[in-house]
Amino acid sequence: KAGVTQTPRYLIKTRGQQVTLSCSPISGHRSVSWYQQTPGQGLQFLFEYFSETQRNKGNFPGRFSGRQFSNSRSEMNVSTLELGDSALYLCASSLAGGSASGNTIYFGEGSWLTVV
Amino acid sequence: SQKIEQNSEALNIQEGKTATLTCNYTNYSPAYLQWYRQDPGRGPVFLLLIRENEKEKRKERLKVTFDTTLKQSLFHITASQPADSATYLCALDPSGSGGYNKLIFGAGTRLAVHP
Repeated sequence: KAGVTQTPRYLIKTRGQQVTLSCSPISGHRSVSWYQQTPGQGLQFLFEYFSETQRNKGNFPGRFSGRQFSNSRSEMNVSTLELGDSALYLCASSLAGGSASGNTIYFGEGSWLTVV
Repeated sequence: SQKIEQNSEALNIQEGKTATLTCNYTNYSPAYLQWYRQDPGRGPVFLLLIRENEKEKRKERLKVTFDTTLKQSLFHITASQPADSATYLCALDPSGSGGYNKLIFGAGTRLAVHP
């Protein structure tokens, strides 16, 4: 089956702009979570959506937002981009329950964002 | 403060040897711990999950241990191969419930297996 698909794969934005990243989870998966990965901070949890509702949120400013659609596809948006937002943004999906329920979390290949 | 620590230094080993990676955590009480592999420019790939009531878990050449008293997990790759070269990440659910998919990751340990 198709894996987690993220688009775009690479993008360059200017400070102050906003960006929208898209994630299509594996068919049947209803949980979608987003992570930011940087060399300095590693992988950091942004938020998780389940059935169009945000179920968990990490410690990121309000400039970072997301949403999930009825087909489980998800988007995340970063407004007023800063240089420090340059990172690999990863989307992950799983079945309804958490990973401790035995549901494996599958990551996409990520979207590389460079802010100049 | 809450922390997950992995050896920040790269681990270099000879092919055929056993690689052992360490994950220590403080101020968490996780119900389970996970290990992932990440290749450069790719997303992490799930390898193993071990629950707090499991001392050891195996999958092919991989073995994970979980000591909740020491607050430590060890990840072993036996008969290592150059193809095992990658960064290995440990992760846990800070809520301890495991009901959601919010994971806190360690910084990862880069493993290099030399022929």
